[in-house]
Amino acid sequence: GENVEQHPSTLSVQEGDSAVIKCTYSDSASNYFPWYKQELGKRPQLIIDIRSNVGEKKDQRIAVTLNKTAKHFSLHITETQPEDSAVYFCAVATRDDKIIFGKGTRLHILP
Amino acid sequence: ETGVTQSPTHLIKTRGQQVTLRCSSQSGHNTVSWYQQALGQGPQFIFQYYREEENGRGNFPPRFSGLQFPNYSSELNVNALELDDSALYLCASRGWREFNEQFFGPGTRLTVL
Repeated sequence: GENVEQHPSTLSVQEGDSAVIKCTYSDSASNYFPWYKQELGKRPQLIIDIRSNVGEKKDQRIAVTLNKTAKHFSLHITETQPEDSAVYFCAVATRDDKIIFGKGTRLHILP
Repeated sequence: ETGVTQSPTHLIKTRGQQVTLRCSSQSGHNTVSWYQQALGQGPQFIFQYYREEENGRGNFPPRFSGLQFPNYSSELNVNALELDDSALYLCASRGWREFNEQFFGPGTRLTVL
Protein backbone atom coordinates (compact mmCIF):
# COMPACT_ATOMS: atom_id res chain seq x y z
CA GLY A 1 0.00 0.00 0.00
CA GLU A 2 0.88 3.67 -0.08
CA ASN A 3 3.65 4.82 2.27
CA VAL A 4 3.83 8.49 3.27
CA GLU A 5 6.97 9.79 4.97
CA GLN A 6 6.99 13.27 6.54
CA HIS A 7 9.99 15.29 7.75
CA PRO A 8 10.92 16.82 10.08
CA SER A 9 8.89 15.59 13.03
CA THR A 10 9.55 18.84 14.89
CA LEU A 11 10.46 22.26 13.50
CA SER A 12 11.21 25.50 15.32
CA VAL A 13 11.50 28.75 13.40
CA GLN A 14 11.82 32.37 14.42
CA GLU A 15 8.70 34.46 13.92
CA GLY A 16 8.83 36.06 10.49
CA ASP A 17 11.05 33.35 9.00
CA SER A 18 9.92 30.63 6.60
CA ALA A 19 9.09 27.02 7.41
CA VAL A 20 9.31 24.07 5.03
CA ILE A 21 7.87 20.61 5.63
CA LYS A 22 8.53 17.77 3.21
CA CYS A 23 6.71 14.55 2.37
CA THR A 24 7.49 11.62 0.12
CA TYR A 25 5.14 8.96 -1.16
CA SER A 26 5.59 5.59 -2.82
CA ASP A 27 2.77 5.08 -5.34
CA SER A 28 3.28 6.93 -8.61
CA ALA A 29 -0.47 6.65 -9.29
CA SER A 30 -1.27 8.96 -6.35
CA ASN A 31 -2.84 12.13 -7.65
CA TYR A 32 -4.13 14.34 -4.82
CA PHE A 33 -2.02 15.82 -2.03
CA PRO A 34 -3.73 17.77 0.77
CA TRP A 35 -2.15 19.41 3.80
CA TYR A 36 -3.90 19.66 7.15
CA LYS A 37 -3.27 21.81 10.22
CA GLN A 38 -4.27 20.50 13.63
CA GLU A 39 -4.27 22.71 16.70
CA LEU A 40 -4.24 21.19 20.14
CA GLY A 41 -7.53 19.49 20.94
CA LYS A 42 -9.08 20.33 17.57
CA ARG A 43 -9.86 18.51 14.34
CA PRO A 44 -7.46 18.53 11.37
CA GLN A 45 -8.34 21.36 8.99
CA LEU A 46 -7.52 21.44 5.30
CA ILE A 47 -5.23 24.39 4.58
CA ILE A 48 -4.13 23.75 1.01
CA ASP A 49 -4.09 20.95 -1.53
CA ILE A 50 -2.54 20.22 -4.90
CA ARG A 51 -3.47 17.88 -7.69
CA SER A 52 -1.06 15.98 -9.87
CA ASN A 53 -1.55 18.12 -12.96
CA VAL A 54 0.14 21.17 -11.39
CA GLY A 55 3.55 21.70 -9.85
CA GLU A 56 2.84 24.54 -7.44
CA LYS A 57 -0.07 26.24 -5.71
CA LYS A 58 -0.07 29.28 -3.49
CA ASP A 59 -2.59 30.78 -1.07
CA GLN A 60 -1.34 33.94 0.65
CA ARG A 61 1.55 32.87 2.94
CA ILE A 62 1.14 29.17 2.22
CA ALA A 63 2.38 27.31 -0.84
CA VAL A 64 2.72 23.70 -1.84
CA THR A 65 5.09 22.28 -4.47
CA LEU A 66 4.86 18.86 -6.07
CA ASN A 67 7.55 16.88 -7.86
CA LYS A 68 5.82 13.83 -9.34
CA THR A 69 9.00 12.41 -10.82
CA ALA A 70 10.70 12.32 -7.44
CA LYS A 71 7.44 11.56 -5.63
CA HIS A 72 7.73 14.31 -3.08
CA PHE A 73 5.80 17.43 -2.15
CA SER A 74 6.44 20.24 0.28
CA LEU A 75 4.56 22.82 2.32
CA HIS A 76 6.07 26.30 2.54
CA ILE A 77 4.90 28.87 5.07
CA THR A 78 6.40 32.34 4.71
CA GLU A 79 6.44 35.21 7.21
CA THR A 80 5.49 32.85 10.01
CA GLN A 81 3.28 34.10 12.82
CA PRO A 82 2.55 32.77 16.34
CA GLU A 83 -0.81 31.38 15.18
CA ASP A 84 1.03 29.11 12.73
CA SER A 85 2.16 27.00 15.69
CA ALA A 86 0.39 23.65 15.30
CA VAL A 87 0.87 20.13 13.98
CA TYR A 88 0.86 19.85 10.20
CA PHE A 89 0.01 16.66 8.31
CA CYS A 90 0.59 15.84 4.70
CA ALA A 91 -1.69 13.30 3.06
CA VAL A 92 -1.93 11.40 -0.21
CA ALA A 93 -4.93 10.04 -2.10
CA THR A 94 -4.12 6.51 -3.21
CA ARG A 95 -5.03 4.89 -6.51
CA ASP A 96 -8.08 3.36 -4.79
CA ASP A 97 -9.11 6.76 -3.43
CA LYS A 98 -8.14 6.36 0.22
CA ILE A 99 -6.49 9.35 1.86
CA ILE A 100 -3.41 8.33 3.86
CA PHE A 101 -1.63 10.66 6.30
CA GLY A 102 1.95 11.27 7.26
CA LYS A 103 2.98 11.20 10.91
CA GLY A 104 2.93 14.96 11.29
CA THR A 105 5.29 17.86 11.96
CA ARG A 106 5.02 19.89 15.14
CA LEU A 107 5.81 23.50 14.18
CA HIS A 108 6.89 25.94 16.88
CA ILE A 109 7.07 29.64 16.08
CA LEU A 110 9.57 31.31 18.39
CA PRO A 111 9.08 34.93 19.48
CA GLU B 1 -16.24 24.76 11.18
CA THR B 2 -17.28 21.93 8.87
CA GLY B 3 -20.78 20.42 8.70
CA VAL B 4 -19.48 17.06 9.93
CA THR B 5 -20.65 16.10 13.41
CA GLN B 6 -19.72 13.22 15.70
CA SER B 7 -21.16 11.74 18.86
CA PRO B 8 -20.40 11.23 21.62
CA THR B 9 -17.61 13.71 22.33
CA HIS B 10 -15.98 11.57 24.99
CA LEU B 11 -16.43 7.97 26.05
CA ILE B 12 -14.92 5.75 28.73
CA LYS B 13 -15.12 1.98 28.40
CA THR B 14 -13.43 -1.03 29.96
CA ARG B 15 -11.49 -3.78 28.26
CA GLY B 16 -13.68 -6.32 26.47
CA GLN B 17 -16.62 -3.99 26.04
CA GLN B 18 -18.10 -2.86 22.74
CA VAL B 19 -18.55 0.71 21.52
CA THR B 20 -20.47 2.48 18.75
CA LEU B 21 -19.41 5.89 17.47
CA ARG B 22 -21.54 8.01 15.15
CA CYS B 23 -20.87 10.47 12.38
CA SER B 24 -23.13 12.73 10.34
CA SER B 25 -21.60 13.74 7.05
CA GLN B 26 -21.68 17.19 5.54
CA SER B 27 -24.67 17.88 3.32
CA GLY B 28 -24.06 16.64 -0.21
CA HIS B 29 -21.26 14.29 0.83
CA ASN B 30 -21.72 10.57 0.21
CA THR B 31 -18.34 9.21 1.28
CA VAL B 32 -17.29 8.81 4.90
CA SER B 33 -13.87 7.73 6.14
CA TRP B 34 -12.92 6.80 9.68
CA TYR B 35 -9.53 7.39 11.26
CA GLN B 36 -7.89 6.51 14.55
CA GLN B 37 -5.51 9.12 15.95
CA ALA B 38 -3.40 8.04 18.90
CA LEU B 39 -1.81 10.75 21.02
CA GLY B 40 1.02 12.45 19.13
CA GLN B 41 0.42 10.46 15.95
CA GLY B 42 -1.11 11.07 12.56
CA PRO B 43 -4.61 9.85 11.69
CA GLN B 44 -4.56 6.16 10.75
CA PHE B 45 -7.06 5.11 8.08
CA ILE B 46 -9.55 2.51 9.37
CA PHE B 47 -12.05 2.22 6.50
CA GLN B 48 -14.17 4.16 4.07
CA TYR B 49 -17.84 3.93 3.05
CA TYR B 50 -19.40 5.02 -0.20
CA ARG B 51 -23.13 4.71 -0.77
CA GLU B 52 -23.57 2.30 2.14
CA GLU B 53 -20.76 -0.05 1.14
CA GLU B 54 -17.24 -0.38 2.50
CA ASN B 55 -14.85 0.41 -0.34
CA GLY B 56 -11.48 0.61 1.36
CA ARG B 57 -9.90 -0.65 4.56
CA GLY B 58 -6.67 -0.01 6.42
CA ASN B 59 -4.69 -2.38 8.65
CA PHE B 60 -7.28 -2.82 11.37
CA PRO B 61 -8.65 -6.16 12.65
CA PRO B 62 -12.21 -7.32 11.92
CA ARG B 63 -13.40 -6.24 15.37
CA PHE B 64 -13.45 -2.77 13.82
CA SER B 65 -16.58 -2.63 11.68
CA GLY B 66 -18.87 0.01 10.32
CA LEU B 67 -22.08 0.96 8.61
CA GLN B 68 -23.28 3.72 6.38
CA PHE B 69 -26.96 4.63 6.22
CA PRO B 70 -29.08 5.90 3.29
CA ASN B 71 -28.63 9.48 4.53
CA TYR B 72 -24.84 8.85 4.40
CA SER B 73 -24.34 9.08 8.14
CA SER B 74 -22.09 6.37 9.49
CA GLU B 75 -21.22 4.28 12.53
CA LEU B 76 -17.96 2.80 13.70
CA ASN B 77 -18.25 -0.27 15.92
CA VAL B 78 -15.39 -1.71 17.92
CA ASN B 79 -15.79 -5.05 19.68
CA ALA B 80 -13.67 -6.59 22.42
CA LEU B 81 -12.03 -3.27 23.31
CA GLU B 82 -8.32 -3.28 24.12
CA LEU B 83 -6.29 -0.69 26.01
CA ASP B 84 -4.54 0.31 22.76
CA ASP B 85 -7.88 1.30 21.27
CA SER B 86 -7.74 4.45 23.40
CA ALA B 87 -7.51 7.27 20.87
CA LEU B 88 -9.31 10.08 19.11
CA TYR B 89 -11.63 8.68 16.44
CA LEU B 90 -12.21 11.01 13.55
CA CYS B 91 -14.63 10.74 10.71
CA ALA B 92 -14.31 12.72 7.52
CA SER B 93 -16.73 13.21 4.68
CA ARG B 94 -16.46 14.20 1.03
CA GLY B 95 -18.39 13.98 -2.19
CA TRP B 96 -17.60 11.11 -4.54
CA ARG B 97 -15.99 13.31 -7.14
CA GLU B 98 -12.42 12.57 -7.91
CA PHE B 99 -9.99 14.67 -5.83
CA ASN B 100 -12.72 16.22 -3.67
CA GLU B 101 -11.66 17.80 -0.41
CA GLN B 102 -12.23 15.83 2.77
CA PHE B 103 -13.55 17.53 5.91
CA PHE B 104 -13.24 16.22 9.43
CA GLY B 105 -15.65 16.04 12.32
CA PRO B 106 -14.53 17.09 15.83
CA GLY B 107 -13.78 13.52 16.85
CA THR B 108 -14.72 11.17 19.68
CA ARG B 109 -12.16 10.69 22.44
CA LEU B 110 -12.32 7.03 23.53
CA THR B 111 -10.60 5.92 26.71
CA VAL B 112 -10.35 2.21 27.45
CA LEU B 113 -9.55 1.29 31.07
